[in-house]
Amino acid sequence: DVKVTQSSRYLVKRTGEKVFLECVQDMDHENMFWYRQDPGLGLRLIYFSYDVKMKEKGDIPEGYSVSREKKERFSLILESASTNQTSMYLCASSFLPGRERYEQYFGPGTRLTVT
Amino acid sequence: KNEVEQSPQNLTAQEGEFITINCSYSVGISALHWLQQHPGGGIVSLFMLSSGKKKHGRLIATINIQEKHSSLHITASHPRDSAVYICAVSTSGTYKYIFGTGTRLKVLA
Repeated sequence: DVKVTQSSRYLVKRTGEKVFLECVQDMDHENMFWYRQDPGLGLRLIYFSYDVKMKEKGDIPEGYSVSREKKERFSLILESASTNQTSMYLCASSFLPGRERYEQYFGPGTRLTVT
Repeated sequence: KNEVEQSPQNLTAQEGEFITINCSYSVGISALHWLQQHPGGGIVSLFMLSSGKKKHGRLIATINIQEKHSSLHITASHPRDSAVYICAVSTSGTYKYIFGTGTRLKVLA
């Protein structure tokens, strides 16, 4: 079974703090994704990475950065957390298109509250 | 207008009922995905479809490529089916999903 794990299920941080969310997958997937999920807005892509050290902006990258130093690990960084970044954050991973099965596998999510 | 539309947004059913959730999309796709999210957050992939019909237990997913429409059916619904069901499409040549906003299903005992 594919396993995608995230470093925390719940996190509470103060405004202005630097926040690291970490995601690890064990399936040798090329692609990794960070999403946020908000009521009424659904899932929105923040950043994704298709290879080590490669990244592309998603739909809402402002206020976030990412790091992928190893294939299995993809980190989301909030440089200076703000209250409007309070949300559920979900990581996912997948093979590249062209493989028979390239659906995304999701982690359990991190509910981040910024006070 | 969203590129992926789901209906209904909310659905309450009695245990045992047959349930249908619909998804329409307006872009060219390589595949359509049905996802399930239980309270607490984790998302599970139920189906990946590029044509026809797939069945897993009590769940059936169909897709009509010409009409750009997919349905997820649950037969003999059970309270443990209560979850948010999300439709997503992979567009040709990209890694990314375009998501619908989800259908919140509650099945009452």
